[in-house]
Amino acid sequence: SQQGEEDPQALSIQEGENATMNCSYKTSINNLQWYRQNSGRGLVHLILIRSNEREKHSGRLRVTLDTSKKSSSLLITASRAADTASYFCATDQLTGNQFYFGTGTSLTVIP
Amino acid sequence: EAGVTQFPSHSVIEKGQTVTLRCDPISGHDNLYWYRRVMGKEIKFLLHFVKESKQDESGMPNNRFLAERTGGTYSTLKVQPAELEDSGVYFCASSRSGYEQFFGPGTRLTVL
Repeated sequence: SQQGEEDPQALSIQEGENATMNCSYKTSINNLQWYRQNSGRGLVHLILIRSNEREKHSGRLRVTLDTSKKSSSLLITASRAADTASYFCATDQLTGNQFYFGTGTSLTVIP
Repeated sequence: EAGVTQFPSHSVIEKGQTVTLRCDPISGHDNLYWYRRVMGKEIKFLLHFVKESKQDESGMPNNRFLAERTGGTYSTLKVQPAELEDSGVYFCASSRSGYEQFFGPGTRLTVL
């Protein structure tokens, strides 16, 4: 299996706290991307990090990538109730550009 | 710019029936992908079109699934005959380059 795995599967935090989700994958990649899915809606692209990058920021999001450990983390700072959603990491391999998704982390931010 | 659209948003059919899902990609995106998420499991790749050609259909589960993209614009995914295990959410994505894929809202398929 080449898909990523997110950890934890579910996370519940209070508004204002930080949320950290981890993703592990199995093969060498070009890029790793994080997506969010709100209930009943499509996948929204959050951030892309290339294999030669180690850290990337976008607003309240911080993504790290450790290719030696084949893992990535997504940190959401100062969480809001609107951040409640499922978060998926997706990788694409060196050949081909289909994405491999993990099972997702379900984040609940309690107001 | 309009996003990726999918129709229908939800379909409920009985085992053995046929269902056709439609995806309209973002205009100008040659790459179109189908993925599905079966309940509680990861989102899995089904196939990839470049314009009207199937670039990679390695994820198609079996020959009950038929995808087409006539004219290189919208795409359809037909399931015939549908089985219980086909229930899930089917996502379509499009991309200009392949690196950033824009996803549609998905079609939730329920097979009874």
